[in-house]
Amino acid sequence: GNSVTQMEGPVTLSEEAFLTINCTYTATGYPSLFWYVQYPGEGLQLLLKATKADDKGSNKGFEATYRKETTSFHLEKGSVQVSDSAVYFCALSDGNKLVFGAGTILRVKS
Amino acid sequence: GAVVSQHPSWVICKSGTSVKIECRSLDFQATTMFWYRQFPKQSLMLMATSNEGSKATYEQGVEKDKFLINHASLTLSTLTVTSAHPEDSSFYICSATVGTSGMGTQYFGPGTRLTVL
Repeated sequence: GNSVTQMEGPVTLSEEAFLTINCTYTATGYPSLFWYVQYPGEGLQLLLKATKADDKGSNKGFEATYRKETTSFHLEKGSVQVSDSAVYFCALSDGNKLVFGAGTILRVKS
Repeated sequence: GAVVSQHPSWVICKSGTSVKIECRSLDFQATTMFWYRQFPKQSLMLMATSNEGSKATYEQGVEKDKFLINHASLTLSTLTVTSAHPEDSSFYICSATVGTSGMGTQYFGPGTRLTVL
């Protein structure tokens, strides 16, 4: 079946550091890919998405490119802030359902 | 816009009792709602898909008689955990989609922490 694998956390960075959170997927067909973020005490929020190969999703300085050849959708940000501390989930669409990765905790220190 | 609420945010109950969790779309009509379960340090696992006015579709391995889902209106879905046991303790999250196909962006509620003693 379809699945998503994310790098394990927690990832701890200093403010203004470069962020990469790896995400790879296994799927039949060509799913849409998503990154969701969950801030402490809040529900998941859609951060960005890409619907086809080579698409780049971007939002709030974060970006991820749909790479069909490597079945990856890595999340990147050039300069993280303390306010980016949260749990990040990679997900793919399976019909009208979402299949999530395990989530990666990001901690940014000032 | 596209706000989803859940109530209660946390609940503690005794083993053998039933607990009802509400999921509401506050500013849009959601024909499709989803119920997830999240274990500590693990991913969200889809439990069921709920369409307004029809029976929920449960994922494999989810007991439909234990996790009763009702989607009586376009803004409200409820999950009832019947005869709860300690192993049902978890974080339950709902989401809702805008539009009729269920394929749109899912908007998530803040979750409900259930602890069964």
